[in-house]
Amino acid sequence: DVKVTQSSRYLVKRTGEKVFLECVQDMDHENMFWYRQDPGLGLRLIYFSYDVKMKEKGDIPEGYSVSREKKERFSLILESASTNQTSMYLCASRDITNSPLHFGNGTRLTVT
Amino acid sequence: DQQVKQNSPSLSVQEGRISILNCDYTNSMFDYFLWYKKYPAEGPTFLISISSIKDKNEDGRFTVFLNKSAKHLSLHIVPSQPGDSAVYFCAAGFSGTYKYIFGTGTRLKVLA
Repeated sequence: DVKVTQSSRYLVKRTGEKVFLECVQDMDHENMFWYRQDPGLGLRLIYFSYDVKMKEKGDIPEGYSVSREKKERFSLILESASTNQTSMYLCASRDITNSPLHFGNGTRLTVT
Repeated sequence: DQQVKQNSPSLSVQEGRISILNCDYTNSMFDYFLWYKKYPAEGPTFLISISSIKDKNEDGRFTVFLNKSAKHLSLHIVPSQPGDSAVYFCAAGFSGTYKYIFGTGTRLKVLA
């Protein structure tokens, strides 16, 4: 079974802090994704990476950056956290296009 | 512009009966569709997918139907069980792109 592990289940950060969310997958998947889930808005794509060191913006990249230095690890960075970034963050990986995404359990981030 | 829509935010069904969850899309280029189930405080779990070359796909109690002319897909769960109570998301994508577009979700409650 594919395992996608997000380092934190719950995080509380202050406005203006730099925040790192880490994600690791164990199935040698090429593609990795960061989504956020908000009530009434579904899952929205922040960034994705189709290979090591490669990244592309999703639908809501503002205020975020990402890093993929190794194939198994994909990090989401909030450069200066704001209260509107309070959300559930979900990491996912996938082997090839037109195949299912495998999600981690999510990180519930609260910015105060 | 919401390209993938789940117009019913919630649905209640009696245990043992059929649950039908609906999803509409606007982009006729979509050629791969997925359904996910999500429990609170967990990541989405892949349920079933369908390619646009098919109009039906079954996996145990779950069947997905695709009506390309109507740009509509549905997930049927038969028989429904209390453990099926969760939020269900549909998603769509098309060949040559990396991302999937998710709907806003439907909360299913199966009553014992």
